[in-house]
Amino acid sequence: AQKVTQAQTEISVVEKEDVTLDCVYETRDTTYYLFWYKQPPSGELVFLIRRNSFDEQNEISGRYSWNFQKSTSSFNFTITASQVVDSAVYFCALSDSTRDNFNKFYFGSGTKLNVKP
Amino acid sequence: DAGITQSPRHKVTETGTPVTLRCHQTENHRYMYWYRQDPGHGLRLIHYSYGVKDTDKGEVSDGYSVSRSKTEDFLLTLESATSSQTSVYFCAIRKLAGGNTDTQYFGPGTRLTVL
Repeated sequence: AQKVTQAQTEISVVEKEDVTLDCVYETRDTTYYLFWYKQPPSGELVFLIRRNSFDEQNEISGRYSWNFQKSTSSFNFTITASQVVDSAVYFCALSDSTRDNFNKFYFGSGTKLNVKP
Repeated sequence: DAGITQSPRHKVTETGTPVTLRCHQTENHRYMYWYRQDPGHGLRLIHYSYGVKDTDKGEVSDGYSVSRSKTEDFLLTLESATSSQTSVYFCAIRKLAGGNTDTQYFGPGTRLTVL
């Protein structure tokens, strides 16, 4: 069965600190996709990144970076030099390529990040 | 912006009444989804559609039905609302763009309160 675990319910940091959000996933499929979404206080869901299981290269986009490790089934998200605008709930999600599940996303319960000035 | 609108954006209703939520998209995407978001659970899939009149259940489909008579509209119906269906409901579409932008994009959400 597919499952995504975000064990950190809430994290508080002071502006300019680095912070890592953890995501651990479970799937029996060998081909799968991982995602991160951001939900700011305004409520919309914003797509951040998609990663394929066959591409373990880490990704960096500005202050954001993602560390994908198949050996530990983790897809962690790091924000460098956090800013108040990073305050949001962040969701990790999984989709695999089995016939029934290709279009289904399984979301973790989310991590609420509070960045204080 | 994925061209998704949801209506209504907020609704308060009473237990036992029927409720229909509408999702409308302007970009002709084949796949559409309904999720509910509850504290501690993230987003959970209720139903999804892979074409006109083609729908399937998600993990929390009990008490919900859906219909898709046109590509652009995906309706979620609570036949007899219960307090446990108080939630924020999100509609999503799948953009089959290929590459790393191939993902689901979400509408603004509908906050439903069942008293």
